Amino acid sequence: KQEVTQIPAALSVPEGENLVLNCSFTDSAIYNLQWFRQDPGKGLTSLLLIQSSQREQTSGRLNASLDKSSGRSTLYIAASQPGDSATYLCAPYNQAGTALIFGKGTTLSVSS
Amino acid sequence: EAQVTQNPRYLITVTGKKLTVTCSQNMNHEYMSWYRQDPGLGLRQIYYSMNVEVTDKGDVPEGYKVSRKEKRNFPLILESPSPNQTSLYFCASSLTWRGGYTFGSGTRLTVV
Repeated sequence: KQEVTQIPAALSVPEGENLVLNCSFTDSAIYNLQWFRQDPGKGLTSLLLIQSSQREQTSGRLNASLDKSSGRSTLYIAASQPGDSATYLCAPYNQAGTALIFGKGTTLSVSS
Repeated sequence: EAQVTQNPRYLITVTGKKLTVTCSQNMNHEYMSWYRQDPGLGLRQIYYSMNVEVTDKGDVPEGYKVSRKEKRNFPLILESPSPNQTSLYFCASSLTWRGGYTFGSGTRLTVV
């Protein structure tokens, strides 16, 4: 059964820092992987979708990479801003491709 | 605006009183799914639907029912709610079952 681990669980940084959020998963036979952010008490906002044939995706200051063979994905945030403060969730698809399997997230706090 | 709409946003109910949480999407997506989010457990899938009239169980289906009579709607039904179903519920949809997911804003359910 797919298990997803996100490290660190929490991270506090000053504004302007570049940072990396890590995600590891136990079953490398995944189809796609999606990164989300969740603000307190709110829904999930999709950040990036990496399809199984891709190794990375970029959107603005965000870059996500995927290494299926090692069971890892990283989310790189450049020049962090206070508005980036949220919980970031990594979610590879299950082996059947019918569900997202979520990690418990990394809670990011960016101070001004 | 392309979106997944859930109603209600907040609901407090009593044990055993049947309730329905509605979910509707306006993106002509084939695939829809329900998740619940609990502290320490993360997000877990309850049910999913590949297309109209086709539904299947996720990881935590006990105590829930769903139906998919129309492409745009996927209601979650709790026939006899219990306190352990107190949770934050999310509906999600995707163009295909391996595509990127869009999530609703969530329904916070409290069963007393």
